[in-house]
Amino acid sequence: KQEVTQIPAALSVPEGENLVLNCSFTDSAIYNLQWFRQDPGKGLTSLLLIQSSQREQTSGRLNASLDKSSGRSTLYIAASQPGDSATYLCAVPLSPGFQKLVFGTGTRLLVSP
Amino acid sequence: DAMVIQNPRYQVTQFGKPVTLSCSQTLNHNVMYWYQQKSSQAPKLLFHYYDKDFNNEADTPDNFQSRRPNTSFCFLDIRSPGLGDAAMYLCATSSITGYTEAFFGQGTRLTVV
Repeated sequence: KQEVTQIPAALSVPEGENLVLNCSFTDSAIYNLQWFRQDPGKGLTSLLLIQSSQREQTSGRLNASLDKSSGRSTLYIAASQPGDSATYLCAVPLSPGFQKLVFGTGTRLLVSP
Repeated sequence: DAMVIQNPRYQVTQFGKPVTLSCSQTLNHNVMYWYQQKSSQAPKLLFHYYDKDFNNEADTPDNFQSRRPNTSFCFLDIRSPGLGDAAMYLCATSSITGYTEAFFGQGTRLTVV
């Protein structure tokens, strides 16, 4: 059974810092891994999707890496801003073709001005 | 432009009174999903539709049903809401072919009184 863990559960940093969020999964036979952002009381916004054959994906100040063999993914946020404050969730699908996702419990990020 | 739209954003229902949540999409994706997210927890998959083919997760209570009258719309019906069903309900879509990224709506916050 696939289990997804995110550490730390919460993170508080001053504006401008570069930071890394971690995601671990127990079954390395994944098809892809998706990172999401969730603002309080809102839905999920997709940030990045990494296919199983890829090592990393970049979008603006965000860079996500994937190491299937060690069961880990990291989300790197460069030059953090107060607007980055949110909960970040990683998720992996249970089967190919469908995004029937197993989620981590998220990292709550607070970026202070 | 919103691509996955959920209505209403907030729903208050009485204990035991049937309630329906709505989801529509403009992406023409053939797969639609419903997730339940309780406070401070990870989203949990309830079921999904692949075109008109309904797929229930094994641990989804019978109290939860779904309808998909056409490609664009999907409904979540809770036949007899209990206090434990209070949660954020998230609708998502993805394509079975090509790029399988999941797109989520803004969610419906359900309160049971």
